Amino acid sequence: SQTIHQWPATLVQPVGSPLSLECTVEGTSNPNLYWYRQAAGRGLQLLFYSVGIGQISSEVPQNLSASRPQDRQFILSSKKLLLSDSGFYLCAWTRRLGAFFGQGTRLTVV
Amino acid sequence: DQQVKQNSPSLSVQEGRISILNCDYTNSMFDYFLWYKKYPAEGPTFLISISSIKDKNEDGRFTVFLNKSAKHLSLHIVPSQPGDSAVYFCAASGGSGGSNYKLTFGKGTLLTVNP
Repeated sequence: SQTIHQWPATLVQPVGSPLSLECTVEGTSNPNLYWYRQAAGRGLQLLFYSVGIGQISSEVPQNLSASRPQDRQFILSSKKLLLSDSGFYLCAWTRRLGAFFGQGTRLTVV
Repeated sequence: DQQVKQNSPSLSVQEGRISILNCDYTNSMFDYFLWYKKYPAEGPTFLISISSIKDKNEDGRFTVFLNKSAKHLSLHIVPSQPGDSAVYFCAASGGSGGSNYKLTFGKGTLLTVNP
């Protein structure tokens, strides 16, 4: 069966520090991978999606970047965090209609 | 521009009664709709879906209704149970073909089922 791993579960980082969140998928090959963010009082906002290694599409301009170094690995990064980057970050994969999510990372920028 | 709207941020119902969660969309290209359930500090989990070729899909206590002309869908939970208390997200996709199945989510509705 397919599983998706996302870490860390919680993270507190100072403003201006770098960020790296990692997501890996098991049990499937060539998945479409996504990073979503749920900010307080808002729905799930699509940040990035990737249909293959090295292929990244950005949905919204922001302080974040994404990379896909391997087929089943998706990384969300920032060089300098802003207070507004705080939120709940979710990695997801799809192969057919629908998305399956990781457990999420609660990021607090202080 | 919010293409998927859940206009009720919260809903409170009594255990055993029906919960009705509503969702509206504006993009006529959407042809597949899903409901996700999310507990605090966890990722959303898939609940039920419906294709635009149907107007109803039922799975146990959960039924989703789709009204394409009104661009409206609803999730019915009967009977509601305290364990159903969670945030429910409506999502839509226009990718019934192709390799990219991006989902557009609503803001969610917090359902509280009181014992």
